[in-house]
Amino acid sequence: ETGVTQTPRHLVMGMTNKKSLKCEQHLGHNAMYWYKQSAKKPLELMFVYSLEERVENNSVPSRFSPECPNSSHLFLHLHTLQPEDSALYLCASSRGQAGTEAFFGQGTRLTVV
Amino acid sequence: TQLLEQSPQFLSIQEGENLTVYCNSSSVFSSLQWYRQEPGEGPVLLVTVVTGGEVKKLKRLTFQFGDARKDSSLHITAAQPGDTGLYLCAGGSSYKLIFGSGTRLLVRP
Repeated sequence: ETGVTQTPRHLVMGMTNKKSLKCEQHLGHNAMYWYKQSAKKPLELMFVYSLEERVENNSVPSRFSPECPNSSHLFLHLHTLQPEDSALYLCASSRGQAGTEAFFGQGTRLTVV
Repeated sequence: TQLLEQSPQFLSIQEGENLTVYCNSSSVFSSLQWYRQEPGEGPVLLVTVVTGGEVKKLKRLTFQFGDARKDSSLHITAAQPGDTGLYLCAGGSSYKLIFGSGTRLLVRP
């Protein structure tokens, strides 16, 4: 058990659908992250939340909308996605201080059709 | 922009062989971490190095942080099929981690 749980594990959605990815951490961490992992690309940092405030948005298109209602939960709301958005979406948490280790969930494999 | 370059990108070796994976950057990092990721799973932390010149050992894995804290290496002795996976280095910067592109290792029985 990693302490970071993501649901669903797999998601297939049409380009006109709206769906949400959920992440929950049980580690008492202060920071939570969304990463995108595509084939042949390094892990791309999408969003960072520290103490429930968004501290970074790495030029992510507005069709991805994060939400952090409390320090244990993180959502990624998806709407009108494109096929190129198909990827593994990983949630992670950390203590939030410089250089601290990240603990990852198992990811959501998203396919946009 | 801080970037981490990993080499080689792919490595296929026979069980029992030794190997070294490299992680290089032009930037200084406060710490450097190594993760291993298996298909369909998230990365799992192996080790964190924080001091220039630091060497850490984890069974058959030896991790080294460069003196200038810009590069790192991972050496595996007598590789086993269970070592197969994607190895990622990550540099700590402020509140976030910058990931390298990864080295995909296949250890053949």
